[in-house]
Amino acid sequence: DAGVTQTPRHEVAEKGQTIILKCEPVSGHNDLFWYRQTKIQGLELLSYFRSKSLMEDGGAFKDRFKAEMLNSSFSTLKIQPTEPKDSAVYLCASSLGNTGQLYFGEGSKLTVL
Amino acid sequence: AQSVTQPDARVTVSEGASLQLRCKYSYSATPYLFWYVQYPRQGLQLLLKYYSGDPVVQGVNSFEAEFSKSNSSFHLQKASVHWSDSAVYFCALSMNYGNEKITFGAGTKLTIKP
Repeated sequence: DAGVTQTPRHEVAEKGQTIILKCEPVSGHNDLFWYRQTKIQGLELLSYFRSKSLMEDGGAFKDRFKAEMLNSSFSTLKIQPTEPKDSAVYLCASSLGNTGQLYFGEGSKLTVL
Repeated sequence: AQSVTQPDARVTVSEGASLQLRCKYSYSATPYLFWYVQYPRQGLQLLLKYYSGDPVVQGVNSFEAEFSKSNSSFHLQKASVHWSDSAVYFCALSMNYGNEKITFGAGTKLTIKP
């Protein structure tokens, strides 16, 4: 089975641009998560979907971050407008639900100039 | 609110030596605990998890962890490390079984000296 696929692996954006990161979860998984990973803050939960329904939309990230799950096999994370402090690795993870085990993608590294 | 603390940002040990990575948690009830590992340029992978029962749990690659309710700890251990164990290790918890919303610690970067 294919694991979690994230694209692009690397993205460089100018301040103020809109970027869209994509994630394909493991086939059959019901839960999908977006995390932001930085050296200083570690892993921060951005969004959590269960069966395509948004369960949590990380409070501090609401204004410029929007995650969507258009179908069970595809999710996007839009950052609009980008700021230099958004430079980080964005990780997508999926889970069957009720297992406690998340399967992570390799991440999308975003650099905002 | 729950939290996870990994007091050591970096740990260096010699190949073949034993290892302990520390993890403390804060949660009013008994949490569900995990250790994940992240190799360079990869996502996180589950090493082991604890839900209930025997406080010592076995994981992949000969890792094990011991849950202590009295100390609010879930330390990761390995009897003899290999150079390939170099990675970042994350302790994590969720509030109940099936709650996939997991809180992660800051991570401990493990370096193995030859």
